[in-house]
Formats: sequence, C-alpha cells, structure tokens
Amino acid sequence: SYELTQPPSVSVSPGQTASITCSGDKLGDKYACWYQQRPGQSPVLVIYQNSKRPSGIPERFSGSNSGNTATLTVSGTQAMDEADYYCQAWDSSTDWVFGGGTKLTVL
Amino acid sequence: EVQLLESGGGQVQPGGSQRLSCAASGFTFSSYAMSWVRQAPGKGLEWVSAISSSGDNTYYADSVKGRFTISRDNFKKTLYLQMNSLRVEDTAVYYCAKEGPQPPDYFDYWGQGTLVTVSS
Repeated sequence: SYELTQPPSVSVSPGQTASITCSGDKLGDKYACWYQQRPGQSPVLVIYQNSKRPSGIPERFSGSNSGNTATLTVSGTQAMDEADYYCQAWDSSTDWVFGGGTKLTVL
Repeated sequence: EVQLLESGGGQVQPGGSQRLSCAASGFTFSSYAMSWVRQAPGKGLEWVSAISSSGDNTYYADSVKGRFTISRDNFKKTLYLQMNSLRVEDTAVYYCAKEGPQPPDYFDYWGQGTLVTVSS
C-alpha cells in the first residue's frame, strides 16, 4: 500500500520561512496537495496540484513536488499559521492517502 | 457559498449501526464526486470512502470495506454513510468532503464534522 511520511513537528520563528516535507515513493509523479487544520476546526485546502493556491489562501503559502518529496513552504510565517498540516495524494493501490500530519509551531 | 453540513453522529455500542448524512448547498451537487474522511481523537486524517458524481462508482478504505456503504441522493443534494458492525476503532469525527473538478482529486471543501463514538 502507498504511504506518505511527514515529520511530526516543525518549529519556526515569526517572520521566518517554514518548510514541511511529505515523502512517498515516486510522489513527484502524482499530484500532491496540502491541508491546514487549526485546533478544533475542519481541514482547509491550502495547496492543490503540487503548487496551486485556492482563492483566499495567502501568497506566503507555496508548494513544490519532485522526486519522492513534496514540500509546503510558508514564507513570513505568522502566529495564525500555527496548525497541523497534512499532505495528501491519490494512488491506484490505496486511493486517497494522507500523510500523518505535521504540527507547525510558531515560537 | 459552498456548505456541507453533517449529521447523524452520536454514541453507539460495538456491533451497532449508524447512518451519517451530509447536506450540501452552494454548488451543483450532482456534478462532483464526494468523500467521507475521518479523524480519530488526537490522530490524523484517514480517507474512508468516495462516490462518483452519478453514484455509479464507490470506493472504500480496506479498514471499512464490507461494513460501510456510501450513497448519495442527487435530488436531495445529500451524501450518506451507512456504518454497520461498528468497532471501537471507528470512533472518530467524520467529515464529508467535496472533490475538485477532475477526480480523483483534492478535497476543496469540508464540512464541520460529526462525532461518532463507539463504546459500550
């Protein structure tokens, strides 16, 4: 079965850049997307098709996907960006699969 | 404005059944595939089941195959999840999610979730 691996936690200082990785076999051959989930809230799509931002998502969120790794980058991180982030992809063997999630802490 | 409103959660005993509903509005429901995604307390997201826009095709995670049934009523703009033979490990918040325009695709809108607790 297909699996996506994320680091459990990432820390960043306000105004700095945070990078969250998502690893999977030949992930670069698939579309990856990212969701933000603040405590007690539903997930929100922040990046789709590797690097596209939905309407209303700030430009400081960007994404890339190559080889075995997709990356979500948050530039100029703000306190409001503190949340759990999940990557997701679709694979023919397991259908929709999520990474385990990364807790982004803004120190 | 797209809205997805889940209902039907609650407490159920192991081996019991529960039916979840998700009422959709703000988009052409019959044009989009839909999914159920769950999140156990303190855990990550797990895709559960999906259904095509017409309802002709359904998909299930191995963890629920044979126990859960997804369906939809495009006239009522409602998505359903019939859950049978429930286990303690099925305890989770269940979200309905709308897929993007080119399935299999990302989930661009999510409901607020409904909590299902399986406990004796």
